[in-house]
Amino acid sequence: EPEVTQTPSHQVTQMGQEVILRCVPISNHLYFYWYRQILGQKVEFLVSFYNNEISEKSEIFDDQFSVERPDGSNFTLKIRSTKLEDSAMYFCASSPGLRWGQPQHFGDGTRLSIL
Amino acid sequence: EDQVTQSPEALRLQEGESSSLNCSYTVSGLRGLFWYRQDPGKGPEFLFTLYSAGEEKEKERLKATLTKKESFLHITAPKPEDSATYLCAVQAGAGNQFYFGTGTSLTVIP
Repeated sequence: EPEVTQTPSHQVTQMGQEVILRCVPISNHLYFYWYRQILGQKVEFLVSFYNNEISEKSEIFDDQFSVERPDGSNFTLKIRSTKLEDSAMYFCASSPGLRWGQPQHFGDGTRLSIL
Repeated sequence: EDQVTQSPEALRLQEGESSSLNCSYTVSGLRGLFWYRQDPGKGPEFLFTLYSAGEEKEKERLKATLTKKESFLHITAPKPEDSATYLCAVQAGAGNQFYFGTGTSLTVIP
């Protein structure tokens, strides 16, 4: 069964550094998402991406964050000037298309630890 | 503000002891309600989508139901391998984002 893959599984970074989290969505999916989950808290929406542009973003997704689809398969989340509170699990998800109500399929996440 | 609340936070069951998990929601324009299973260190794994009140979906020992205000995930005769965190998410309004609840951590004891 097709799946969303994320790399790395764990990223440790010094505060103030930039990180890039990578995702390969399911190949025929058109919508891509990033969510984060701080330890012990709920999964929170960051951003959705369609047709090579951001379609929605939450209040969390400020100028520190950016997303990119650099080629036909990868989808990346860049976090600049990382802070301690950016430590969390970051999940990438994808869904098939334009119709509402379609499930999003999640990768296994990248655990980001900011020191 | 859109809200998704799950209860209980944690549930311990003996193997074979059936029970239900609750997801209540207050959103405008529900597009879909989704149940996911999350194992430790893993991403959410899709289980069910429910679209309208009265709808039911089943998969093995799991059955999901939906009313206008809440959804239930019924677990019949659970096994230890059903131990996981069960997440509820809703999609509502004009956007595609999911709003997640905090989950119910289920432990099934042999």
